[in-house]
Amino acid sequence: SAVISQKPSRDICQRGTSLTIQCQVDSQVTMMFWYRQQPGQSLTLIATANQGSEATYESGFVIDKFPISRPNLTFSTLTVSNMSPEDSSIYLCSVELGLGEQYFGPGTRLTVT
Amino acid sequence: QKEVEQNSGPLSVPEGAIASLNCTYSDRGSQSFFWYRQYSGKSPELIMFIYSNGDKEDGRFTAQLNKASQYVSLLIRDSQPSDSATYLCAVLQGAQKLVFGQGTRLTINP
Repeated sequence: SAVISQKPSRDICQRGTSLTIQCQVDSQVTMMFWYRQQPGQSLTLIATANQGSEATYESGFVIDKFPISRPNLTFSTLTVSNMSPEDSSIYLCSVELGLGEQYFGPGTRLTVT
Repeated sequence: QKEVEQNSGPLSVPEGAIASLNCTYSDRGSQSFFWYRQYSGKSPELIMFIYSNGDKEDGRFTAQLNKASQYVSLLIRDSQPSDSATYLCAVLQGAQKLVFGQGTRLTINP
């Protein structure tokens, strides 16, 4: 597996503001992913972030709302822009270590007031 | 039809018994299947993966795959209270996208 960290671990933000979530892994990985897990729900993939290329967004998620950076093979950021209470969720990054196996970071719990 | 379906539970099992968790998927071309355990307030943890039809055992855990029936299961033998968690089934679509079921909440009763 890999050691994955996320910052911040939680935050409370006001409506209309933006928050950038950082994801750091202790080894170089090609593929990183960003998920959202709403309260009591399963995981929904937001986008796939490969180093050196634009992120690939899933249906229902757009770059203007969730811009992603992937500057190197160990780091990625997800920004939640112009937040509304509906964005309150847990945001998780994951890395793929081969054969589809994904390992998750500890998550960022976001509350928008 | 959802892409990956699980019984949401809760599933209650006495300590020491076998817990059986089930998952069905809709994409017949799927080749890789994963079970994650998620404790309350924590992120998902990969506990088993299976790629071939049949059984795969790892300690108290056994994953079973039947591609013809599009069915994956996870058996937990000698269930312990520490096994109480939500178990998520995930199916690999294409080369990289994991699709998750809604999860089954398992409670092991001492």
